[in-house]
Amino acid sequence: EIVLTQSPGTLSLSPGERATLSCRASQSVSSSYLAWYQQKPGQAPRLLIYGASSRATGIPDRFSGSGSGTDFTLTISRLEPEDFAVYYCQQYGSSPPYTFGQGTKVEIK
Amino acid sequence: EVQLVESGGGLVKPGGSLRLSCAASGFTFSSYSMNWVRQAPGKGLEWVSSISSSSSYIYYADSVKGRFTISRDNAKNSLYLQMNSLRAEDTAVYYCARTPDYWGQGTLVTVSS
Repeated sequence: EIVLTQSPGTLSLSPGERATLSCRASQSVSSSYLAWYQQKPGQAPRLLIYGASSRATGIPDRFSGSGSGTDFTLTISRLEPEDFAVYYCQQYGSSPPYTFGQGTKVEIK
Repeated sequence: EVQLVESGGGLVKPGGSLRLSCAASGFTFSSYSMNWVRQAPGKGLEWVSSISSSSSYIYYADSVKGRFTISRDNAKNSLYLQMNSLRAEDTAVYYCARTPDYWGQGTLVTVSS
C-alpha cells in the first residue's frame, strides 16, 4: 500500500500570500496518478488537480500542481478568501487501495 | 451534467446492516470504475472500496474486508455498498466517487446503540 504524507498539517497564511503544500509518497506513484482536492466544511471534496499537474475544469489558474515519482506539490499563487480550506492528495494508480494523505488545513493568519 | 446521488444512510445499532445506493447520471456509467470513500466526523478521507466497470475487479480496504460488499447495476446506473456487522468506527459520511473527478454529496451513517 502506498502511504501519502502531507506537510505541513496546518498552514497559517494571509490572503494574497503564496501557499505551498507537499505530498510525499512511500513509493513511486504510477504514471503520475496523483490528485489534489479541496474540501470545505459540510461539502464533498472538489477536484483541483489530476495527473499531478492538470487543472480540473473550472479551477482558477492560481492553483498549480507539480512533481513526479514520490514528491508532489500543490501551489496556490495568491490566496483568495475562498481558498481557506482543507486540501488532500490522493494516488489513484493502477490498482487500489487509492490512498489519501491526511490533509493540510490552510487557515487565515 | 454529471450527478452522483447517495442514499440509504441512517442510524444503525452495532452489529447491524445498511445498504447504501448511489444513483449516477450524466455520463456512461457502464464505462467507468466506481468507488466508495468515507470520512469519519472531523477526520480525513478514507478509500473504502472500488469496482471496475463490468464488476470484474473488486477491491476493499482492510478495515471493511469481509463485512462490506460493493456491487453495481449498469442497467440502472447504480452503485451499491452493502454494509454488515457495522461497528462504531464505521460512523462516517460515505461518498460515491468516480475517481478522481466526480463525487456525490455523501450520506451519513451513524453506528450507535
